Amino acid sequence: QVQLVQSGAEVKNPGASVKVSCKASGYTFTGYYIHWVRQAPGQGLEWMGWTNPKSGDTKYSETFQGRVTMTRDTSISTVYMELNRLTSDDTALYFCTRGSPVGGSRWPSDYWGQGTLVTVSS
Amino acid sequence: DIQMTQSPSSLSASVGDRVTVTCRASQGISTYLAWYQQKPGKVPKLLISAASSLQSGAPSRFSGSGSGTDFTLTITSLQPEDVATYYCQKYDSAPRTFGQGTKVEIK
Repeated sequence: QVQLVQSGAEVKNPGASVKVSCKASGYTFTGYYIHWVRQAPGQGLEWMGWTNPKSGDTKYSETFQGRVTMTRDTSISTVYMELNRLTSDDTALYFCTRGSPVGGSRWPSDYWGQGTLVTVSS
Repeated sequence: DIQMTQSPSSLSASVGDRVTVTCRASQGISTYLAWYQQKPGKVPKLLISAASSLQSGAPSRFSGSGSGTDFTLTITSLQPEDVATYYCQKYDSAPRTFGQGTKVEIK
């Protein structure tokens, strides 16, 4: 069965960086885009960007452009999301989700990771 | 960028009531519209894709409609287990913007 398993909770100081991992299983890793979505406490869902695990191509929300990097390691079926220059506004639950098939029709996020809580506090 | 506007932001209805949530896109997105259900403390779950295609395992009391800029999520007979926040999302192109969410509660 399809699974996305994310790394554990992180506590960071303002100005630091955080790198969250998302390990995929149960399907062909390079066959589907991976998106990242975050949710601040008590708030709605915010789309951050996607990575193509096959090519490594990325597309980021303008909100995070210049501060986020999404990468992948095909040897271990894992994608990463690194966010720099953290502030308290970045305190949120970060989700990885599976999106469209690579080279296929557009498709929403059908599988979600369990979420990784990132807390930014001094 | 295309904006997604949901209404209402919250609603309270009785068990058995018909509930309607709307989602409006600032530009046409054809039927590239998904609905997600997020129960308290849980991960969002894909409920409807392509504006009206109910996902496998989702109760048939849920339905979606619309195309272009105006979309609707309907629950024909509200049940206690439907208490959740519902989000629409466009997925025609990046950014895959979400609506702000509609919190559904039982009266």
